[in-house]
Amino acid sequence: GAGVSQSPSNKVTEKGKDVELRCDPISGHTALYWYRQSLGQGLEFLIYFQGNSAPDKSGLPSDRFSAERTGGSVSTLTIQRTQQEDSAVYLCASSLTGTGVYEQYFGPGTRLTVT
Amino acid sequence: GNSVTQMEGPVTLSEEAFLTINCTYTATGYPSLFWYVQYPGEGLQLLLKATKADDKGSNKGFEATYRKETTSFHLEKGSVQVSDSAVYFCALSSNSNSGYALNFGKGTSLLVTP
Repeated sequence: GAGVSQSPSNKVTEKGKDVELRCDPISGHTALYWYRQSLGQGLEFLIYFQGNSAPDKSGLPSDRFSAERTGGSVSTLTIQRTQQEDSAVYLCASSLTGTGVYEQYFGPGTRLTVT
Repeated sequence: GNSVTQMEGPVTLSEEAFLTINCTYTATGYPSLFWYVQYPGEGLQLLLKATKADDKGSNKGFEATYRKETTSFHLEKGSVQVSDSAVYFCALSSNSNSGYALNFGKGTSLLVTP
Protein backbone atom coordinates (compact mmCIF):
# COMPACT_ATOMS: atom_id res chain seq x y z
CA GLY A 1 0.00 0.00 0.00
CA ALA A 2 0.96 3.66 -0.16
CA GLY A 3 3.38 4.92 2.43
CA VAL A 4 3.64 8.31 4.06
CA SER A 5 3.99 11.06 1.49
CA GLN A 6 5.21 14.60 1.95
CA SER A 7 5.15 17.64 -0.27
CA PRO A 8 6.99 19.50 -1.52
CA SER A 9 10.12 17.38 -1.54
CA ASN A 10 12.26 20.51 -1.70
CA LYS A 11 11.45 24.09 -0.82
CA VAL A 12 13.71 27.09 -1.17
CA THR A 13 12.37 30.26 0.35
CA GLU A 14 13.60 33.71 1.24
CA LYS A 15 14.08 34.71 4.83
CA GLY A 16 10.90 36.23 6.22
CA LYS A 17 8.50 34.32 3.97
CA ASP A 18 5.91 31.82 5.24
CA VAL A 19 5.99 28.17 4.17
CA GLU A 20 3.55 25.27 4.41
CA LEU A 21 4.68 21.66 4.48
CA ARG A 22 2.23 18.86 3.88
CA CYS A 23 2.07 15.30 5.16
CA ASP A 24 -0.25 12.53 3.97
CA PRO A 25 -0.09 9.66 6.46
CA ILE A 26 -0.83 6.03 5.81
CA SER A 27 -4.57 5.50 5.63
CA GLY A 28 -5.98 4.40 8.97
CA HIS A 29 -3.04 5.64 11.02
CA THR A 30 -4.44 7.77 13.81
CA ALA A 31 -1.11 8.97 15.19
CA LEU A 32 0.98 11.46 13.26
CA TYR A 33 4.36 12.93 14.22
CA TRP A 34 6.51 15.74 12.86
CA TYR A 35 10.29 15.73 13.32
CA ARG A 36 13.11 17.92 12.10
CA GLN A 37 16.51 16.70 10.98
CA SER A 38 19.34 19.21 10.88
CA LEU A 39 23.11 18.99 10.99
CA GLY A 40 23.38 20.90 14.23
CA GLN A 41 20.49 19.41 16.18
CA GLY A 42 20.18 15.91 14.76
CA LEU A 43 16.66 14.46 14.74
CA GLU A 44 14.25 16.32 17.02
CA PHE A 45 10.58 15.81 17.73
CA LEU A 46 8.27 18.72 16.97
CA ILE A 47 4.63 17.76 17.49
CA TYR A 48 2.27 14.80 17.78
CA PHE A 49 -1.34 14.41 16.66
CA GLN A 50 -3.79 11.83 17.91
CA GLY A 51 -6.61 12.18 15.45
CA ASN A 52 -6.95 15.92 14.91
CA SER A 53 -5.76 16.84 18.37
CA ALA A 54 -2.25 17.87 19.44
CA PRO A 55 -2.07 17.41 23.24
CA ASP A 56 1.39 18.94 23.63
CA LYS A 57 2.87 21.66 21.44
CA SER A 58 5.92 22.32 23.57
CA GLY A 59 8.26 20.65 21.08
CA LEU A 60 7.68 23.35 18.48
CA PRO A 61 10.87 25.50 18.35
CA SER A 62 9.12 28.87 18.46
CA ASP A 63 5.73 30.52 18.09
CA ARG A 64 6.47 30.93 14.37
CA PHE A 65 5.75 27.22 14.02
CA SER A 66 2.22 25.84 13.96
CA ALA A 67 0.61 22.64 12.78
CA GLU A 68 -2.83 21.29 12.17
CA ARG A 69 -4.44 18.08 11.12
CA THR A 70 -7.83 17.75 9.51
CA GLY A 71 -10.15 14.82 9.02
CA GLY A 72 -7.78 12.62 10.98
CA SER A 73 -5.61 12.52 7.89
CA VAL A 74 -3.58 15.25 6.20
CA SER A 75 -1.39 17.48 8.32
CA THR A 76 0.28 20.77 7.52
CA LEU A 77 3.23 22.31 9.31
CA THR A 78 3.43 26.07 8.84
CA ILE A 79 6.48 28.18 9.50
CA GLN A 80 5.91 31.91 9.54
CA ARG A 81 8.61 34.51 8.91
CA THR A 82 11.21 31.86 8.13
CA GLN A 83 14.73 32.24 9.45
CA GLN A 84 17.95 30.66 8.23
CA GLU A 85 18.06 28.41 11.29
CA ASP A 86 14.80 26.84 10.08
CA SER A 87 16.71 25.21 7.22
CA ALA A 88 16.41 21.46 7.77
CA VAL A 89 14.68 18.33 6.56
CA TYR A 90 11.17 18.09 8.00
CA LEU A 91 10.00 14.53 8.48
CA CYS A 92 6.52 13.22 9.05
CA ALA A 93 5.71 9.80 10.49
CA SER A 94 2.48 7.98 11.16
CA SER A 95 1.48 4.93 13.16
CA LEU A 96 -1.46 2.96 14.46
CA THR A 97 -2.42 3.46 18.07
CA GLY A 98 -3.61 1.14 20.78
CA THR A 99 -2.06 -0.67 23.69
CA GLY A 100 1.69 -0.59 23.42
CA VAL A 101 4.18 0.76 20.93
CA TYR A 102 3.53 0.72 17.21
CA GLU A 103 6.08 1.23 14.45
CA GLN A 104 6.30 4.73 13.07
CA TYR A 105 6.52 4.89 9.29
CA PHE A 106 8.43 7.86 7.98
CA GLY A 107 7.89 9.89 4.86
CA PRO A 108 10.76 10.98 2.57
CA GLY A 109 10.86 14.45 4.11
CA THR A 110 10.73 18.02 2.88
CA ARG A 111 14.11 19.71 2.55
CA LEU A 112 13.65 23.37 3.47
CA THR A 113 16.32 25.89 2.57
CA VAL A 114 15.95 29.46 3.78
CA THR A 115 18.15 31.92 1.90
CA GLY B 1 14.33 14.13 30.60
CA ASN B 2 14.91 11.26 28.24
CA SER B 3 18.05 11.15 26.15
CA VAL B 4 20.04 8.81 23.94
CA THR B 5 23.79 8.77 23.46
CA GLN B 6 25.41 6.81 20.66
CA MET B 7 28.97 6.51 19.51
CA GLU B 8 30.23 9.14 17.12
CA GLY B 9 30.99 8.17 13.58
CA PRO B 10 31.94 7.75 10.96
CA VAL B 11 32.72 4.09 11.31
CA THR B 12 34.59 2.48 8.42
CA LEU B 13 34.79 -1.30 8.19
CA SER B 14 35.86 -3.83 5.63
CA GLU B 15 33.27 -6.23 4.27
CA GLU B 16 32.66 -9.23 6.58
CA ALA B 17 33.97 -7.38 9.65
CA PHE B 18 32.11 -7.42 12.97
CA LEU B 19 30.07 -4.34 13.78
CA THR B 20 29.20 -2.81 17.13
CA ILE B 21 27.56 0.57 17.51
CA ASN B 22 27.16 1.56 21.14
CA CYS B 23 23.99 3.18 22.45
CA THR B 24 23.10 4.15 25.99
CA TYR B 25 20.02 5.90 27.24
CA THR B 26 18.61 7.90 30.13
CA ALA B 27 14.91 7.61 30.79
CA THR B 28 12.33 7.46 33.50
CA GLY B 29 10.14 4.43 33.60
CA TYR B 30 10.38 1.66 31.02
CA PRO B 31 10.94 3.00 27.52
CA SER B 32 10.90 1.02 24.31
CA LEU B 33 14.16 1.06 22.36
CA PHE B 34 14.74 1.16 18.61
CA TRP B 35 17.35 1.21 15.92
CA TYR B 36 16.42 3.12 12.78
CA VAL B 37 18.47 3.13 9.57
CA GLN B 38 18.73 5.72 6.84
CA TYR B 39 20.25 4.43 3.60
CA PRO B 40 21.72 6.98 1.19
CA GLY B 41 18.94 8.92 -0.50
CA GLU B 42 16.22 7.07 1.36
CA GLY B 43 13.93 7.75 4.30
CA LEU B 44 14.21 6.53 7.87
CA GLN B 45 13.12 2.98 8.41
CA LEU B 46 12.84 0.81 11.46
CA LEU B 47 15.58 -1.78 11.71
CA LEU B 48 14.68 -3.45 15.00
CA LYS B 49 13.08 -2.80 18.36
CA ALA B 50 12.79 -4.11 21.90
CA THR B 51 10.01 -3.18 24.28
CA LYS B 52 11.17 -4.57 27.62
CA ALA B 53 14.28 -5.50 29.53
CA ASP B 54 16.26 -8.49 28.19
CA ASP B 55 14.32 -8.48 24.91
CA LYS B 56 16.47 -8.97 21.84
CA GLY B 57 15.49 -7.26 18.62
CA SER B 58 16.82 -8.70 15.38
CA ASN B 59 16.49 -8.07 11.66
CA LYS B 60 18.66 -8.52 8.54
CA GLY B 61 21.45 -10.06 10.65
CA PHE B 62 21.51 -7.13 13.08
CA GLU B 63 20.81 -7.66 16.77
CA ALA B 64 20.44 -5.52 19.87
CA THR B 65 19.55 -6.51 23.44
CA TYR B 66 17.72 -4.24 25.87
CA ARG B 67 19.98 -4.10 28.95
CA LYS B 68 18.25 -2.27 31.75
CA GLU B 69 21.11 -2.77 34.22
CA THR B 70 23.54 -0.92 31.94
CA THR B 71 20.87 1.22 30.20
CA SER B 72 22.23 0.12 26.86
CA PHE B 73 21.00 -1.11 23.48
CA HIS B 74 24.12 -1.80 21.44
CA LEU B 75 23.72 -2.74 17.78
CA GLU B 76 25.75 -5.68 16.48
CA LYS B 77 26.20 -7.57 13.26
CA GLY B 78 28.55 -10.45 12.77
CA SER B 79 29.51 -9.82 9.16
CA VAL B 80 28.74 -6.51 7.48
CA GLN B 81 28.15 -6.04 3.77
CA VAL B 82 28.72 -3.05 1.52
CA SER B 83 24.94 -2.67 1.34
CA ASP B 84 24.87 -1.98 5.11
CA SER B 85 26.50 1.41 4.52
CA ALA B 86 24.03 3.87 6.03
CA VAL B 87 23.40 6.09 9.02
CA TYR B 88 22.11 4.28 12.11
CA PHE B 89 20.03 5.98 14.78
CA CYS B 90 19.32 4.67 18.24
CA ALA B 91 16.04 5.91 19.70
CA LEU B 92 13.70 5.48 22.63
CA SER B 93 10.07 6.21 23.25
CA SER B 94 7.67 6.07 26.13
CA ASN B 95 4.05 7.02 26.43
CA SER B 96 3.47 10.68 27.22
CA ASN B 97 1.47 13.69 26.09
CA SER B 98 3.57 13.37 22.95
CA GLY B 99 2.26 9.90 22.27
CA TYR B 100 5.19 7.61 21.59
CA ALA B 101 7.40 10.34 20.15
CA LEU B 102 10.89 9.10 19.39
CA ASN B 103 13.92 10.57 21.10
CA PHE B 104 16.90 9.96 18.79
CA GLY B 105 20.62 9.78 19.22
CA LYS B 106 22.84 11.83 16.90
CA GLY B 107 23.32 8.97 14.45
CA THR B 108 26.35 6.92 13.46
CA SER B 109 27.48 6.83 9.87
CA LEU B 110 28.75 3.43 8.72
CA LEU B 111 30.78 2.90 5.58
CA VAL B 112 31.58 -0.65 4.54
CA THR B 113 34.31 -1.06 1.93
CA PRO B 114 34.80 -4.08 -0.35
